[in-house]
Amino acid sequence: EVHLLESGGGSVQPGGSLTLSCAASGFTFGNYAMSWVRQAPGKGLEWVSTIGGISDRTFYADSVKGRFTIFRDNSKSTLYLRMNSLRPEDTALYYCAKDPGGVTTKFQLPREYNWLESWGQGTLVTVSS
Amino acid sequence: DIVMTQSPGSLAVSLGERVTINCKSSQSILYDFNNKNYLAWYQQKPGQPPRLLIYWASTRDSGVPERFSGSGFGTDFTLTINNLQAEDVAVYYCQHYFNTPLTFGGGTKVEIK
Repeated sequence: EVHLLESGGGSVQPGGSLTLSCAASGFTFGNYAMSWVRQAPGKGLEWVSTIGGISDRTFYADSVKGRFTIFRDNSKSTLYLRMNSLRPEDTALYYCAKDPGGVTTKFQLPREYNWLESWGQGTLVTVSS
Repeated sequence: DIVMTQSPGSLAVSLGERVTINCKSSQSILYDFNNKNYLAWYQQKPGQPPRLLIYWASTRDSGVPERFSGSGFGTDFTLTINNLQAEDVAVYYCQHYFNTPLTFGGGTKVEIK
């Protein structure tokens, strides 16, 4: 069974930094793209970033590009999100989510961004002075 | 960026009735090479993470009850819940994965009348 456990959230002042972690189990972590999605209190879902499984290519929402870095340690089956220059509007519950795998492009290459098959419970980030 | 617009924002339906939720994309999310619509639906119950219901616009994820169905192509999509059950009270989101940025609809809150 897939299990995703986020950690690392907390309260930080504007301009501060945090690194979120997502410990994965129940599947061969390195074979799957992984994503971060956030949800501000009482609001909808916002995709933040995706990292490929085999390719390690990264993708970011414009709202976080240049401030956030997604990376992974396949030996530890862990996904990370390094968040710098945090703003009050980054306040949200941050979910990590697993790609379904097996989806290809028209060139038969692994497609890194697809639907989000499994989700963790989330970790809360609060940016406030 | 592809904008996903859901309607209605909320609705209240009696138990056993049918729910219809609409999702419109600002451009086609149908790829010619495989004739597939790059759209997913999720259910989010209060205090829980989202749960995948449907992908490729109409394929139910494993374990999803048959009363949930997805339809549509191109830019217009529908999630239908037949025979609404009490446990279906949730917010439902559509999401495209045609390209990045992945974007979600604003959500539709389903309640029991």
